[in-house]
Parts: sequence; structure tokens; C-alpha cells
Amino acid sequence: NAGVTQTPKFRVLKTGQSMTLLCAQDMNHEYMYWYRQDPGMGLRLIHYSVGEGTTAKGEVPDGYNVSRLKKQNFLLGLESAAPSQTSVYFCASSPSRYGYTFGSGTRLTVV
Amino acid sequence: QQQVKQSPQSLIVQKGGIPIINCAYENTAFDYFPWYQQFPGKGPALLIAIRPDVSEKKEGRFTISFNKSAKQFSLHIMDSQPGDSATYFCAALVSGNTPLVFGKGTRLSVIA
Repeated sequence: NAGVTQTPKFRVLKTGQSMTLLCAQDMNHEYMYWYRQDPGMGLRLIHYSVGEGTTAKGEVPDGYNVSRLKKQNFLLGLESAAPSQTSVYFCASSPSRYGYTFGSGTRLTVV
Repeated sequence: QQQVKQSPQSLIVQKGGIPIINCAYENTAFDYFPWYQQFPGKGPALLIAIRPDVSEKKEGRFTISFNKSAKQFSLHIMDSQPGDSATYFCAALVSGNTPLVFGKGTRLSVIA
């Protein structure tokens, strides 16, 4: 039982490049989330999904897109990376409103 | 807009001490208040949680105190150990599908 798996774990992008972060969960959870963590800023919600095929914006959605085509996967896309998107990205899933399980994070650097 | 205000930003205590981390909120629609613990290089993990109809909850050495009238809640760690050194986040959840909102975190160091 792997829980929540994030790939890749580390990535360096040049400004303007695009990439997709993958989150996969094997717990059959309905809800999935993407947060970013920056020093002194805590965890800020980017986008979330309350079920397969649904997505919604969080607190800091600009510059990101998401898709939830399969229940077990939640993809976070950066279309044109900017240095301000340098951060640690965490995916989480939950069976309901409660019980978040977080992945181990993706450290992204945009140069 | 920060919905949950957490303090202090960092905290250093001696082994065996009782660190206290505080959080305050304004939205009275919050109905669930968890605390998460995060070790370096790892994702946050649920530590303990409380609902507003309870004033205190204990799980092992960890205690949440909740003051509904003051709209504040705090985490106490009894007999703290170096292994408790981590970043702690308070969070709050409002009814419906809106996800957790987190405080900015407290970096705790327990020194021997």
C-alpha cells in the first residue's frame, strides 16, 4: 500500500518551460488536493478535486492547471514556469472532508 | 487572506519542556481543527484533531486545548523529546467541500 505517490521528487525548469506533476493514490479516495509550501507561508491550496472529472480553484491557482481524468490520479500542470513558482508541491488525498494523506512532495526550482 | 493565524514562527525548548503552539481564527463556520506534524523532506501527517464542542483532547503526549469563545486553539507537547523536532501546522475546516486551510507553521526544536 503506497498511499500517495508524487513524481518527480525533484525538478529544475527554465523560465517559460512547461511540466506536469503527477499525483497517484491507491486508497480509492474521492478528494484530492494540490498545495504549495513556501518558507514562512505555510501550505497554500492551489487546486482541488472532489471526485473524478471535477476540479476547483484554491487560494493560489494562477499559472497552474489540473486534471482528474482518473479517480486515482491528479495532475498539476505548469504551462509557462516562472521563478515565483519555485516551491515544494504537496499532493494529498482524503476519503471525505477528513483524513488527509499527504505525499512526500516535489521540489521544483525555476531558474 | 490568512484565515488561521499561528504563532510562534519558531520555538526552541529543552528536552522535557512543554512547548505550546497557538492558533487563532475568525470564521465561526470552522467545525474541525487538526494539527499536522512535518519532518524535513516529508509530507505533513495528521497528529491530532478536535471539534468545537470539546474543550480539550489528549493523545499520548499531545494535547489540544480549544477555546470557542476566544476562537483560539493550541497544541501542547508534554515531556518533549528531540524526536519531536519538526514543523507543526494548525488547520481548520469549514462545512461543505472546501478544503483545509493551514496556518503558516511553527518550527519546533527540542534540544537535549
